Amino acid sequence: AQSVTQPDIHITVSEGASLELRCNYSYGATPYLFWYVQSPGQGLQLLLKYFSGDTLVQGIKGFEAEFKRSQSSFNLRKPSVHWSDAAEYFCAVGTGSTLGRLYFGRGTQLTVWP
Amino acid sequence: DTEVTQTPKHLVMGMTNKKSLKCEQHMGHRAMYWYKQKAKKPPELMFVYSYEKLSINESVPSRFSPECPNSSLLNLHLHALQPEDSALYLCASSQVGQGDTEAFFGQGTRLTVV
Repeated sequence: AQSVTQPDIHITVSEGASLELRCNYSYGATPYLFWYVQSPGQGLQLLLKYFSGDTLVQGIKGFEAEFKRSQSSFNLRKPSVHWSDAAEYFCAVGTGSTLGRLYFGRGTQLTVWP
Repeated sequence: DTEVTQTPKHLVMGMTNKKSLKCEQHMGHRAMYWYKQKAKKPPELMFVYSYEKLSINESVPSRFSPECPNSSLLNLHLHALQPEDSALYLCASSQVGQGDTEAFFGQGTRLTVV
């Protein structure tokens, strides 16, 4: 069975500091991996995705993530956080032919101090 | 157009009411999804439609009744709900059977059952 673990429930960083959000997955085959961001009361916006190929993927808003098969990880990074990045971040794995069938981690709440 | 539009944005209903949530996309996607998201929790899959046919029902109570009248529309009919059904209901759409794609989410309907 597939599962996604986000070990950090809440992370606080200062504006301008670097950020890394952790994500580990469990899936028997090569997964499709996603990071989504959600502002309060809003829908989900895709930050980036990994399907195959280059294991370092670039996304929107200056985010990147690295797929490490040996560690079953897909950590999200940003070199310099902006106050507007404060939100909930979800890592998800998609399987099968309907890629909207997603299994989400519990989410990481990001707070940014000015 | 990469939008998934959900209406209404907010809905308050009594436990004896019947109401419907609506979702629309014009991206030519042939898979559509309903997710339920409780506060401080990740989205949980409810239903998947593929080529306008229900393909997955994640053991959702019968008081939730999905309908896909055409390839662009997805409805969720609500009847005799309970207060614990209060949540953000998210609709999503995606391609079917293709790699290098992703699910697009709507902004959600905030449902309150009183």
